[in-house]
Amino acid sequence: EPEVTQTPSHQVTQMGQEVILRCVPISNHLYFYWYRQILGQKVEFLVSFYNNEISEKSEIFDDQFSVERPDGSNFTLKIRSTKLEDSAMYFCATQGQGATEAFFGQGTRLTVV
Amino acid sequence: SQQGEEDPQALSIQEGENATMNCSYKTSINNLQWYRQNSGRGLVHLILIRSNEREKHSGRLRVTLDTSKKSSSLLITASRAADTASYFCATLNTGGFKTIFGAGTRLFVKA
Repeated sequence: EPEVTQTPSHQVTQMGQEVILRCVPISNHLYFYWYRQILGQKVEFLVSFYNNEISEKSEIFDDQFSVERPDGSNFTLKIRSTKLEDSAMYFCATQGQGATEAFFGQGTRLTVV
Repeated sequence: SQQGEEDPQALSIQEGENATMNCSYKTSINNLQWYRQNSGRGLVHLILIRSNEREKHSGRLRVTLDTSKKSSSLLITASRAADTASYFCATLNTGGFKTIFGAGTRLFVKA
């Protein structure tokens, strides 16, 4: 069964450092999403990406965040200067054309110290 | 406004009992999904019910959808200790693409 793969599974970083979270989508999927879940809280939408551009973003997704699909394969989320409050589980999701269901990766746990 | 709010927030039952969790939402949806999440782990997709469906079964899971009331329920029958987890409903709005999650129900099944 095809699956969305996220790397790394766990990342520990110093406050102020840049991190890049990676996602390999299901082949032929065209819609890509990032979600965040702070420990013990709900899963929150961050951004959606289609046709090489952001189609929607939440108020959480400020200038510290960026997304890209540099090589047509990996879909990345970059946090430029991490803050303690960025510590969370980050989920990538991808969706096919005309599909009504997104497929989620297993998440990357980001810990900012 | 919040979409996909579950109740109860927490539920504690004995092994063998049934567990029922409810979800309410505000806007028109394309489908509604239920996910399970073990503490600190990833999301496990349980079941998807489309807006034109009223009930769906998968093993010990039974999901209902009432679009007139904008609500859904997840029933886990004959619960097991391994069912202990958080359960989230998530909706895909009509004409939209992003999935919106509720705050979840924490289920604890005592052996």
